[in-house]
Amino acid sequence: GAVVSQHPSRVICKSGTSVKIECRSLDFQATTMFWYRQFPKKSLMLMATSNEGSKATYEQGVEKDKFLINHASLTLSTLTVTSAHPEDSSFYICSVQTAGQHPETQYFGPGTRLLVL
Amino acid sequence: AQKVTQAQTEISVVEKEDVTLDCVYETRDTTYYLFWYKQPPSGELVFLIRRNSFDEQNEISGRYSWNFQKSTSSFNFTITASQVVDSAVYFCALRDQGGKLIFGQGTELSVKP
Repeated sequence: GAVVSQHPSRVICKSGTSVKIECRSLDFQATTMFWYRQFPKKSLMLMATSNEGSKATYEQGVEKDKFLINHASLTLSTLTVTSAHPEDSSFYICSVQTAGQHPETQYFGPGTRLLVL
Repeated sequence: AQKVTQAQTEISVVEKEDVTLDCVYETRDTTYYLFWYKQPPSGELVFLIRRNSFDEQNEISGRYSWNFQKSTSSFNFTITASQVVDSAVYFCALRDQGGKLIFGQGTELSVKP
């Protein structure tokens, strides 16, 4: 399967600052990337679907201006949490879908733990 | 509506016991994919298996086996001779026609020595 990295793995920031999270597909070109959010002891919640070169598609209830997604290349997508607040503290995970043998499979990154003070 | 239900929130077993994690799904699609992922304490989701709706053969991979039953809309996962390293949260997921994954609530498996 695809190898996916995320950076940073953990970030602590002050309320009101913006935080950028990178998601990279290291060995395959990712036709589509997904961003999820996970609260403790909960399942994954899809935030948005990101296709290279086009605008991301956000799920209902997810603020586009709050969570900016840029899919600049076939191997990189970024999620920027703008003007972060304590309620944005969460575990953010990206996944990639490749154009390989099994394009229906999503491979996940290691996640980024965000703590907003 | 598309839905995945993992009724077991937490399971605790002693090492070497066999354990089955249940997954029941709902979909109107005739073609679909089902998945199992493992999430260890580190947080990363590890892909375990993919099954498409046309393939009802059961699969075995080492100590892991999967039982796909379309008639009951179930895709259960069995770990044989469980080990402490199997302790994790396991997610069952359904891929909808738009390509999105619909996750179950997850089952937290604790294997005690």
